[in-house]
Amino acid sequence: DAKTTQPTSMDCAEGRAANLPCNHSTISGNEYVYWYRQIHSQGPQYIIHGLKNNETNEMASLIITEDRKSSTLILPHATLRDTAVYYCIVRSSGAGSYQLTFGKGTKLSVIP
Amino acid sequence: DSGVTQTPKHLITATGQRVTLRCSPRSGDLSVYWYQQSLDQGLQFLIQYYNGEERAKGNILERFSAQQFPDLHSELNLSSLELGDSALYFCASSRGSVGSGLRETQYFGPGTRLLVL
Repeated sequence: DAKTTQPTSMDCAEGRAANLPCNHSTISGNEYVYWYRQIHSQGPQYIIHGLKNNETNEMASLIITEDRKSSTLILPHATLRDTAVYYCIVRSSGAGSYQLTFGKGTKLSVIP
Repeated sequence: DSGVTQTPKHLITATGQRVTLRCSPRSGDLSVYWYQQSLDQGLQFLIQYYNGEERAKGNILERFSAQQFPDLHSELNLSSLELGDSALYFCASSRGSVGSGLRETQYFGPGTRLLVL
């Protein structure tokens, strides 16, 4: 599995954009970058995923560098409800299983 | 609401006991995954089932077992419980379409919080 590196914690002012970085320098060509978040012991919530191109949905935008060695999750207008642990995951396929390998993630605190 | 349901929400039991956790996947999803989240280990993959058959095993103890039934719901059985088994147990599901594994999104249930006393 490609390893990911994320900052342990970040703060963001309410209403501002939250930019969460992730390094995945050993990513392979067919591996996707996924982002999930977990709000206070709730089940992890899917946010977005991408392969090479930048992606946007109703929750966030995902910017992947051209060399694919890093990515940034952008929450355009952070609210207090976005306070959570955010996980950047590179998905690899091993022996027909596609489980998610979670690291420690980034604890994002949105401040009023 | 992800569409994945888990019961019970909370479970308190004693060491040495056996418990069963239940998961109903999203409608139409064939794959079910079980994860354990403890304070010191983080979120860890335990086991995956696809359409009733075991697909992969992760860090699942021999005291733990799972199965997926014809109606696609899954159960995780934990036996000879120890204090260290106290954790959140999550189930996730995905479509399970052939050849689409890397692109399939997993949707997680709300979890079962197990406390072993």
